[in-house]
Amino acid sequence: DGGITQSPKYLFRKEGQNVTLSCEQNLNHDAMYWYRQDPGQGLRLIYYSQIVNDFQKGDIAEGYSVSREKKESFPLTVTSAQKNPTAFYLCASTRGLAGIETQYFGPGTRLLVL
Amino acid sequence: DAKTTQPTSMDCAEGRAANLPCNHSTISGNEYVYWYRQIHSQGPQYIIHGLKNNETNEMASLIITEDRKSSTLILPHATLRDTAVYYCIVSKGGSNYKLTFGKGTLLTVNP
Repeated sequence: DGGITQSPKYLFRKEGQNVTLSCEQNLNHDAMYWYRQDPGQGLRLIYYSQIVNDFQKGDIAEGYSVSREKKESFPLTVTSAQKNPTAFYLCASTRGLAGIETQYFGPGTRLLVL
Repeated sequence: DAKTTQPTSMDCAEGRAANLPCNHSTISGNEYVYWYRQIHSQGPQYIIHGLKNNETNEMASLIITEDRKSSTLILPHATLRDTAVYYCIVSKGGSNYKLTFGKGTLLTVNP
């Protein structure tokens, strides 16, 4: 079945540590996105990528970094500069950026700081 | 993109129609109305979208007022599995395609 996978489901980070969240899709989609969700809140866009080797900052990019070396993969690194990283992280993809594309979401990774 | 306003929460009896309202009074002519839902601790799921005309698919119906300043998502026969947060989003798409997810409406379907 085609879809988006995120791993791990739960991730624990120690203070001052960088951690990387995985996002893989086999939908052959061009565009991929990372969102952050805090309890009781909506989703906020961290980064998005329209094409391999290109990505743009979203609304809350500080303390995060991404790469897009392959079409099917868009890993997110939460750096030590992100002072409040505890949240639910969601990866999504769309076929392209033509305008009315449906966003498909992965199951999410919950990051907790020890 | 235009901002949307939704009620914080709603209840519905199982088997009855659930009607979820959304106000988007500042919507512009080239902006679409999207609905997504998020079941607890899962990723959001696309439901339906529309521009001007009413739309229907296997999940729901979307009714957009003639002036496009508001819309209603209708789940015709709500089940317990429809309990979720429902997001109404307005976006023009294009090369800067982004969806802004607000807090949405928590729909609770009661037995």
